[in-house]
Amino acid sequence: QLQLQESGPGLVKPSETLSLICTVSGGSISSSSYYWGWIRQPPGKGLEWIGSIYYSGRTYYNPSLKSRVTISVDTSKNQFSLKLSSVTATDTAVYYCAKDSSSLLWGQGALVTVSS
Amino acid sequence: QSVLTQPPSVSAAPGQKVTISCSGSSSNIGNNYVSWYQQLPGTAPKLLIYDNNKRPSGIPDRFSGSKSGTSATLGITGLQTGDEADYYCGTWDSSLSAYWVFGGGTKLTVL
Repeated sequence: QLQLQESGPGLVKPSETLSLICTVSGGSISSSSYYWGWIRQPPGKGLEWIGSIYYSGRTYYNPSLKSRVTISVDTSKNQFSLKLSSVTATDTAVYYCAKDSSSLLWGQGALVTVSS
Repeated sequence: QSVLTQPPSVSAAPGQKVTISCSGSSSNIGNNYVSWYQQLPGTAPKLLIYDNNKRPSGIPDRFSGSKSGTSATLGITGLQTGDEADYYCGTWDSSLSAYWVFGGGTKLTVL
């Protein structure tokens, strides 16, 4: 059964870069025609899709975040990662990774707080 | 402001039926599959319905989905207290910049 797990620092300082990794288990990140994505949820608020990547490296991003987002994939480690630059307090959220097809299969999420 | 529109809250008694609507446009719901997600307090969203009306294995048939034009609906019958959660609709938006969009979420209260 496919499972996804986010990992990374829970606290990031303003203006720095947020970095998270998603490890996929129970299946190969490159064996199926899926994308792999990131979604976030600020405390008490709704869902915001950040972007997704194909195992070949093809990416697509939320237009509102595109200038600050980089998503990459490491097929040898069965992982994909998120980098969000120049963070502010408004980037504080639970960050989820997900298998992205016609629907989303979610990881358990990782809370990232932006604070000095 | 979410691209897809959901009612902020709905409520019903145990055993009753409830529906949650999700309204969009031709660039999203009108031309793409809709999925629904249940988010219990303090947990990650869980896929309930995919491709408008299909249930993943393990999801009871009390949950159903439908789509008509630029709107979609989630139905829940035989309500249980354990169904109290936030429910989100989501779909692909294939406008100028293609991306996933979600509704603002609906809080279901089982009275």
